[in-house]
Amino acid sequence: GNSVTQMEGPVTLSEEAFLTINCTYTATGYPSLFWYVQYPGEGLQLLLKATKADDKGSNKGFEATYRKETTSFHLEKGSVQVSDSAVYFCALIFHSGAGSYQLTFGKGTKLSVIP
Amino acid sequence: NAGVTQTPKFQVLKTGQSMTLQCAQDMNHEYMSWYRQDPGMGLRLIHYSVGAGITDQGEVPNGYNVSRSTTEDFPLRLLSAAPSQTSVYFCAISPGANTEAFFGQGTRLTVV
Repeated sequence: GNSVTQMEGPVTLSEEAFLTINCTYTATGYPSLFWYVQYPGEGLQLLLKATKADDKGSNKGFEATYRKETTSFHLEKGSVQVSDSAVYFCALIFHSGAGSYQLTFGKGTKLSVIP
Repeated sequence: NAGVTQTPKFQVLKTGQSMTLQCAQDMNHEYMSWYRQDPGMGLRLIHYSVGAGITDQGEVPNGYNVSRSTTEDFPLRLLSAAPSQTSVYFCAISPGANTEAFFGQGTRLTVV
């Protein structure tokens, strides 16, 4: 079945440091890939997405590139801010056709950014 | 534009009690889903619906029932609550089978 593995946290960085959160996936076929962010006490918000190989998703300074050869979708940001402190989830959905909806999540990585 | 509205935000139940978590949307999306979030487990799919009158099980359906009589509403029922159902529950909507989901703010449920 489909699965997502992301690096375990927590991750603590100083402000303006470089961020990488690793995400790899297992899926039959070619899924769409997502990064979601969850701020304390809130629901999940879509951060970025990529729907085919070599696509780069980007938003709010975050980027991730869909790498089919390594089945990866690592999240990066060049300079983190305190306001980026949150839990980040990697997720995939497989193009399974009508009648099915299976969005699969990783376990989440908690990021804390200190001033 | 409310998007996805979940009620209540917080609930405490005694073991064996029943309750319904409400989820309503105003975006006319066909796909609706319920997830539970537990520490260290990420989000796990409980049930989903691909349209009014159509529901299916996800990864962890036991102990939960759903129905979808309208496009707007997708309630989640706990018939006999157990402490193992203590969790944060999220409702999500999606415009299509292969697209991202948009989430509600969550319901924090404690079963004592």
